[in-house]
Amino acid sequence: GENVEQHPSTLSVQEGDSAVIKCTYSDSASNYFPWYKQELGKRPQLIIDIRSNVGEKKDQRIAVTLNKTAKHFSLHITETQPEDSAVYFCAAILSGGYQKVTFGTGTKLQVIP
Amino acid sequence: NAGVTQTPKFQVLKTGQSMTLQCAQDMNHNSMYWYRQDPGMGLRLIYYSASEGTTDKGEVPNGYNVSRLNKREFSLRLESAAPSQTSVYFCASSIPGKQETQYFGPGTRLLVL
Repeated sequence: GENVEQHPSTLSVQEGDSAVIKCTYSDSASNYFPWYKQELGKRPQLIIDIRSNVGEKKDQRIAVTLNKTAKHFSLHITETQPEDSAVYFCAAILSGGYQKVTFGTGTKLQVIP
Repeated sequence: NAGVTQTPKFQVLKTGQSMTLQCAQDMNHNSMYWYRQDPGMGLRLIYYSASEGTTDKGEVPNGYNVSRLNKREFSLRLESAAPSQTSVYFCASSIPGKQETQYFGPGTRLLVL
């Protein structure tokens, strides 16, 4: 089955700096890679996603890159703000029919004002 | 449009007691999922239902049963609760093949003493 590794498990950055979270996956058939943000005590919510036919996607301060050959994808947050503090989860999905979803173990991001 | 709702929000059980966690969605999604979230382990799939009338085991199904009552509702039952089942439980729904985004409920925090 699919295995998703996520690093680092915790990350502290100064406000205004950039943060990068990396995930690797094992199943080359996975074709959809979402990132979820979970604030303390809240539900996970989708913040950005990328499909296997795209190498990079950007949405304001957030971007995701995908390297299919190396089977890894990364979340980039620029100009970090205190409200970016949360746990971030990556996932690898084999899309179509039932979606086989495997989540990473999460990264706790702390943005220090 | 309430999205995905879960009841109860919090529950304390004694070892050996049974209970059912309820989940409902009003987005007309075909697929529904139950996850448990433990510190440092991310989201692990317990059971899923690809469509009404079907259910399948996920990564950690032991000790749980599910019922897909209709398209809207997907319940998770603990027949004889154990302390190892202390966790936060999230229900989610999606439309496989069209939009892979998983919409999560607010979660149920379960403590088994």
